Amino acid sequence: DGGITQSPKYLFRKEGQNVTLSCEQNLNHDAMYWYRQDPGQGLRLIYYSQIVNDFQKGDIAEGYSVSREKKESFPLTVTSAQKNPTAFYLCATTRTGTVYGYTFGSGTRLTVV
Amino acid sequence: QQQVKQSPQSLIVQKGGISIINCAYENTAFDYFPWYQQFPGKGPALLIAIRPDVSEKKEGRFTISFNKSAKQFSLHIMDSQPGDSATYFCAASAGGTSYGKLTFGQGTILTVHP
Repeated sequence: DGGITQSPKYLFRKEGQNVTLSCEQNLNHDAMYWYRQDPGQGLRLIYYSQIVNDFQKGDIAEGYSVSREKKESFPLTVTSAQKNPTAFYLCATTRTGTVYGYTFGSGTRLTVV
Repeated sequence: QQQVKQSPQSLIVQKGGISIINCAYENTAFDYFPWYQQFPGKGPALLIAIRPDVSEKKEGRFTISFNKSAKQFSLHIMDSQPGDSATYFCAASAGGTSYGKLTFGQGTILTVHP
């Protein structure tokens, strides 16, 4: 949506597996964010990156990892250390130094089987 | 102090009625307050936003009311329509090192009956 592509739309993970969620953008935005959405809890920030090769932990980073090797891409890995990974994951972008023009992708729904 | 508390958790309104969703915050450094609308299976989309130097902002049927002294803000949807049925999130952002990060409320599921 709006120049942000998240894939896959649905993802199933077995216990003990690592999985990687993709987020690609063509908006030329510097900043990228990963949020986790659970019913009744709103959106919680996992990781964010304001520039290539740099990223910071958000409020619930434990059990997750990210990389930012390219401006266009900000993949999120859900590791086996994440005890309750079943959730809807949203990627967002914006220009660095502003919250205006905050654009979300369509999300990936991850389910542990 | 970073929390934004949103209520109600769910809301049912008849077509043509007024929908009101409330949010409260503690962090006085927050200086930007957007509302997002989310349809099932989609990402949130910006609906309307306000800064604390004004008490009200209106865009079409959507109005934000802001009370700085009470640290509260609310979304009013006038003449609610079935197409407004969605989840609504309030959010807030502060400047400084937190710039660019949004803190979201818990969300309100709005259902508008025809």
